[in-house]
Amino acid sequence: EADIYQTPRYLVIGTGKKITLECSQTMGHDKMYWYQQDPGMELHLIHYSYGVNSTEKGDLSSESTVSRIRTEHFPLTLESARPSHTSQYLCASRRGGTGELFFGEGSRLTVL
Amino acid sequence: TQLLEQSPQFLSIQEGENLTVYCNSSSVFSSLQWYRQEPGEGPVLLVTVVTGGEVKKLKRLTFQFGDARKDSSLHITAAQPGDTGLYLCAGLRKAAGNKLTFGGGTRVLVKP
Repeated sequence: EADIYQTPRYLVIGTGKKITLECSQTMGHDKMYWYQQDPGMELHLIHYSYGVNSTEKGDLSSESTVSRIRTEHFPLTLESARPSHTSQYLCASRRGGTGELFFGEGSRLTVL
Repeated sequence: TQLLEQSPQFLSIQEGENLTVYCNSSSVFSSLQWYRQEPGEGPVLLVTVVTGGEVKKLKRLTFQFGDARKDSSLHITAAQPGDTGLYLCAGLRKAAGNKLTFGGGTRVLVKP
């Protein structure tokens, strides 16, 4: 069982609100990722980090930002949410070597 | 055009039937992973294949890595409703800095 946790699981908010999606892992993995996924559809990489104080934008442009102050914590922030941000956000960390990804259960965001 | 093309995009079959999902690319991968994602959850790793021509079996699931390490297939024998989910392949390329690239996914529905 993967030790990676996301909160909240579900969030419904109004347009213009600031939100932070939390992601924590207890496996000591250096590499962490945020993916955006519409239900049943492909994963889009929006942010990744290879260690503390390292963050990079992914393949899909996103208005969100991330930070990596501690190895185990990789939060994602939207300063001003819009309906176009409605989606599922998946956090993952990666084991070295074979590169297996461990995913959290996801945060499903709905912006009204 | 995606680097990893999965086909079909959607598959609906009756319990007991067999199915095959394909993952194709023109690029060479050092390894390839298959994940399954159930509704409302994050993807979970099923298998990693590393060697060209490699075949791995996981109960009723058979995974094959192409000889040239550019493609892979997943075959399910006697599918059960519990096999329903989104199947994702992901390839690791050393030439791209060990970046993991996901295919678009195949949604499988097994009806009882």
